Amino acid sequence: TQLLEQSPQFLSIQEGENLTVYCNSSSVFSSLQWYRQEPGEGPVLLVTVVTGGEVKKLKRLTFQFGDARKDSSLHITAAQPGDTGLYLCAGYPNNAGNMLTFGGGTRLMVKP
Amino acid sequence: DSGVTQTPKHLITATGQRVTLRCSPRSGDLSVYWYQQSLDQGLQFLIHYYNGEERAKGNILERFSAQQFPDLHSELNLSSLELGDSALYFCASSVDEGTYGYTFGSGTRLTVV
Repeated sequence: TQLLEQSPQFLSIQEGENLTVYCNSSSVFSSLQWYRQEPGEGPVLLVTVVTGGEVKKLKRLTFQFGDARKDSSLHITAAQPGDTGLYLCAGYPNNAGNMLTFGGGTRLMVKP
Repeated sequence: DSGVTQTPKHLITATGQRVTLRCSPRSGDLSVYWYQQSLDQGLQFLIHYYNGEERAKGNILERFSAQQFPDLHSELNLSSLELGDSALYFCASSVDEGTYGYTFGSGTRLTVV
C-alpha cells in the first residue's frame, strides 16, 4: 500500500472534457507537490500547496489541498492533447523527515 | 533543459557488473536526490545529499551507494547488478532541502541483461 494513493490510475478522455484526479492519504502532510512526467523525461514540478484548504490555479489547472492536509486534487478544464502525461503527487509526511514520497500516478491521455 | 544533467542517458550492462551514474545539479542548488522508477514500484526515494552531507536514506540497497562531491555533483554507484535493478534512475536538485519542489534531470535508463 502506497502512502499516497492516486486515482484513477488511468484516464482517457476527449479534447475539451474536464477531469479531476485525486491524491489521498491517511497521513498528514506538511505540503504536497504535483508533477507532470512525459515519456523519457523526468517529472516537472507544477505546483506546491502548503496550507490546508489552499487552492492554486495555473491556467486551466486548479489544485486544492484538503483542510486536514491529507489529500489533494487536480482539476483540468477543457483538456488538450498537450495535457497528456503522468501526473504525480508527492509530499513530506509529517513523520518522515526529508523523504519526498510519491504517489503511483495518474496516467492521462487526451485524444484530439 | 531543466538544468540538471544526468549521464549516461542509457546504460546496458550484464548481471554482476558495477556501474556509476552521474548527476550535475542545477546551478546554485545544494541538494541532490536520487530516485529509482520502475513500472511496478513507481518513483522510489533512494538518498538525499545536502552540500556534501547525507541527509536522508530511503529504501536503498546495500549494493548501492552514493556521494556528493565538493563541486556538488553526485554519483550513484550500483554494484553486483541484478536483472531487477533495471529501471530509470533520476537525479533531482533543489536550492534548499526541497520544501517547495525539486528539479529533475532526464534520467538514466539502466538495463541489466
